[in-house]
Amino acid sequence: AQTVTQSQPEMSVQEAETVTLSCTYDTSENNYYLFWYKQPPSRQMILVIRQEAYKQQNATENRFSVNFQKAAKSFSLKISDSQLGDTAMYFCAERGGGSEKLVFGKGMKLTVNP
Amino acid sequence: DTGVSQDPRHKITKRGQNVTFRCDPISEHNRLYWYRQTLGQGPEFLTYFQNEAQLEKSRLLSDRFSAERPKGSFSTLEIQRTEQGDSAMYLCASSLRLAGVHLSTDTQYFGPGTRLTVL
Repeated sequence: AQTVTQSQPEMSVQEAETVTLSCTYDTSENNYYLFWYKQPPSRQMILVIRQEAYKQQNATENRFSVNFQKAAKSFSLKISDSQLGDTAMYFCAERGGGSEKLVFGKGMKLTVNP
Repeated sequence: DTGVSQDPRHKITKRGQNVTFRCDPISEHNRLYWYRQTLGQGPEFLTYFQNEAQLEKSRLLSDRFSAERPKGSFSTLEIQRTEQGDSAMYLCASSLRLAGVHLSTDTQYFGPGTRLTVL
């Protein structure tokens, strides 16, 4: 069965600093996709970044980058130059290549302080 | 903004009543998903549609739950004889699956959700 684990329930960071959110997963699929979603308070979930497991290069989207360690089944998200608008719940998710459903972790609450 | 919309945003009902939620996906998207999110948890998959066909259902989707997407556009999720354990946020998402693409790379875009409270 697919499982996604986010072991840190909550973190805080000062504005302009860098923060790393951790995520581990377990899957029997050979081909799969990993995602980080952001859910701001009282707002809808939006995709932050995605990574295809067959790609060795870590994905990057502006201030957001991932550290994908396939052998360790680890998929961490680094947020550089944190902004107040980054305050949100962050969910790590995995989807097997042969499945359409996303399997989410429990989420992590990030607070960016001024 | 032509994102995924859901109606109602909030629903309070008494135990035993039936409720129905609606989801309007992004207009060109052919796939539609329903998830349930309880407090302190990540979303859990319930079911998904490819056009009007319901292709997968989670074991979480008991007999009291039914979802439809009759014309391949909007979808409804009905819960019959609601129970207090049904209280949750119900999220809808949509994506575009391109024909002929073997490895699915589509991204799911989420709506704002319907928060259900069963008293």
